[in-house]
Amino acid sequence: SQQGEEDPQALSIQEGENATMNCSYKTSINNLQWYRQNSGRGLVHLILIRSNEREKHSGRLRVTLDTSKKSSSLLITASRAADTASYFCAMEYGNKLVFGAGTILRVKS
Amino acid sequence: DAMVIQNPRYQVTQFGKPVTLSCSQTLNHNVMYWYQQKSSQAPKLLFHYYDKDFNNEADTPDNFQSRRPNTSFCFLDIRSPGLGDAAMYLCATSSGGARGTQYFGPGTRLLVL
Repeated sequence: SQQGEEDPQALSIQEGENATMNCSYKTSINNLQWYRQNSGRGLVHLILIRSNEREKHSGRLRVTLDTSKKSSSLLITASRAADTASYFCAMEYGNKLVFGAGTILRVKS
Repeated sequence: DAMVIQNPRYQVTQFGKPVTLSCSQTLNHNVMYWYQQKSSQAPKLLFHYYDKDFNNEADTPDNFQSRRPNTSFCFLDIRSPGLGDAAMYLCATSSGGARGTQYFGPGTRLLVL
């Protein structure tokens, strides 16, 4: 199976703290993407990192990719209550995405 | 605004009664996808269209079929829904290029009674 794994499964932090989520995958990828899903909603694309990139930033988001370890991490700095959601990594193979199991993030105000 | 629209947002059907979910997009994207997402799980790809070319995932049950009559619309048909088919069904699109970003609709939550 190409499915990725994510940890932790759930994360609860206080507003203002940083949140780190990790993703690991099994086979070589074209790129790796992170998506957010609010409860009962569709997914929203956050950031894409290509296989030849090691780090990428977008606002309060920082993504790293280590292709030798087949792993990626998503860091959300200075978290806000509105960041409460599920976060999924997704590995791109051709035109298809294979999603990790997701991390449920709860930010308490 | 360009977007992916799914109707209805909630669908209730009876065990064994055929149901159709619809998706439309104003992004003019080549590729359209259908995912099934069960509670607290990752979205699972059922199939996708690249233009008119249909690509079925190997483990997608025969009970699930899809139609894409034109670039803008795509339908998911469930021929004989079972209780195990209750889930959120997500439609997504992409341009099919190297960028790979997918744009998701809000989903249709299917309940099977």
